[in-house]
Amino acid sequence: AQTVTQSQPEMSVQEAETVTLSCTYDTSESNYYLFWYKQPPSRQMILVIRQEAYKQQNATENRFSVNFQKAAKSFSLKISDSQLGDTAMYFCAFMRLIQGAQKLVFGQGTRLTINP
Amino acid sequence: DTGVSQDPRHKITKRGQNVTFRCDPISEHNRLYWYRQTLGQGPEFLTYFQNEAQLEKSRLLSDRFSAERPKGSFSTLEIQRTEQGDSAMYLCASSLSTTDTQYFGPGTRLTVL
Repeated sequence: AQTVTQSQPEMSVQEAETVTLSCTYDTSESNYYLFWYKQPPSRQMILVIRQEAYKQQNATENRFSVNFQKAAKSFSLKISDSQLGDTAMYFCAFMRLIQGAQKLVFGQGTRLTINP
Repeated sequence: DTGVSQDPRHKITKRGQNVTFRCDPISEHNRLYWYRQTLGQGPEFLTYFQNEAQLEKSRLLSDRFSAERPKGSFSTLEIQRTEQGDSAMYLCASSLSTTDTQYFGPGTRLTVL
């Protein structure tokens, strides 16, 4: 079974700083997707970024980028120029690509606080 | 393009009562998922539909839980004889089979007294 581990329960940085959230996963699959989702306080889960395992290039979405190390099974999220609105729980998630349910397996989450 | 919607947003019930939640996916999405999230944890997969067919159920989904998607559009999740351990946020997500990215609704927070 696949597992996802986020080793940082909480992080806190000052506005405009850069912060990196860690995620490791365990799988024997070679083809899969990885995601970062953001869940602001009392609000719904929002997709931040997605990475296909077959792509060597790291995904980037504006201020958000990932460092995908397939051999190390590591998938960290870097937030540049952090903003107050980035305050949220961040979940790393794994999806294997086989026929059937492409269900997400989530980590425990990292609570990120951006301080003014 | 409206997102995934869920109803109700909050439900308080007494132990032993039955509850039903509804999820309306993004209109053209053929896949629909239910997850459960307890406080401070990541969501856990419950069940999945492709169109109207329920194709997978987690072992977390006891016999008291049933889900339907009768016409391949909205879905319902029913919990019979609720227990205090059922208290959680129930999340619905939908996706297109061509893209596999899941979009989540706001969730239904269930409190069982």
